[in-house]
Amino acid sequence: EAQVTQNPRYLITVTGKKLTVTCSQNMNHEYMSWYRQDPGLGLRQIYYSMNVEVTDKGDVPEGYKVSRKEKRNFPLILESPSPNQTSLYFCASRLKYEQFFGPGTRLTVL
Amino acid sequence: AQSVTQLDSHVSVSEGTPVLLRCNYSSSYSPSLFWYVQHPNKGLQLLLKYTSAATLVKGINGFEAEFKKSETSFHLTKPSAHMSDAAEYFCVVSRVSGGSYIPTFGRGTSLIVHP
Repeated sequence: EAQVTQNPRYLITVTGKKLTVTCSQNMNHEYMSWYRQDPGLGLRQIYYSMNVEVTDKGDVPEGYKVSRKEKRNFPLILESPSPNQTSLYFCASRLKYEQFFGPGTRLTVL
Repeated sequence: AQSVTQLDSHVSVSEGTPVLLRCNYSSSYSPSLFWYVQHPNKGLQLLLKYTSAATLVKGINGFEAEFKKSETSFHLTKPSAHMSDAAEYFCVVSRVSGGSYIPTFGRGTSLIVHP
């Protein structure tokens, strides 16, 4: 089944404790993105990657890092999480105009 | 620059009545426009897309949208609402610039369907 998977689905952590949210797609898409979704704000793009070893900032990149060492994986790294990064995070891969979204990761930073 | 405005944060309809979710956009380029649906605790799913072909676009589950350049609108409609249509809907405008895909999401419209 073609899909985008994310892990973990839920995470509660404390300020300053480094964490990684993994994202993997099995559709061989070159383009992948990370978004955060906050109430009343829709989705905002954090980072995107056009291909292996090619990443760039989206609209809200502060406090986040990404890497793209393989085409299928695009992890999101929070080196020192803060409470304002409490949000719902989505990974997506893209083929032409259509994006395929993962199920989301709900992160709470205390 | 581009932006998208979903004119209603909530829309409430009765089952079997028509649905209208409104979206206006602005773009300095020829835009591509999309509607996505998000059911509770799920990721987003593409409903339909406009990419400079036919202005009336049909999507999944009986939804359709019409691109009106003169009104800069891309409203989503369905003739008859089902209970299963209750969800959050997002209008998205995008462009490609220098190989980068730049999407801008609306803030979402929550569709409530009453029995």
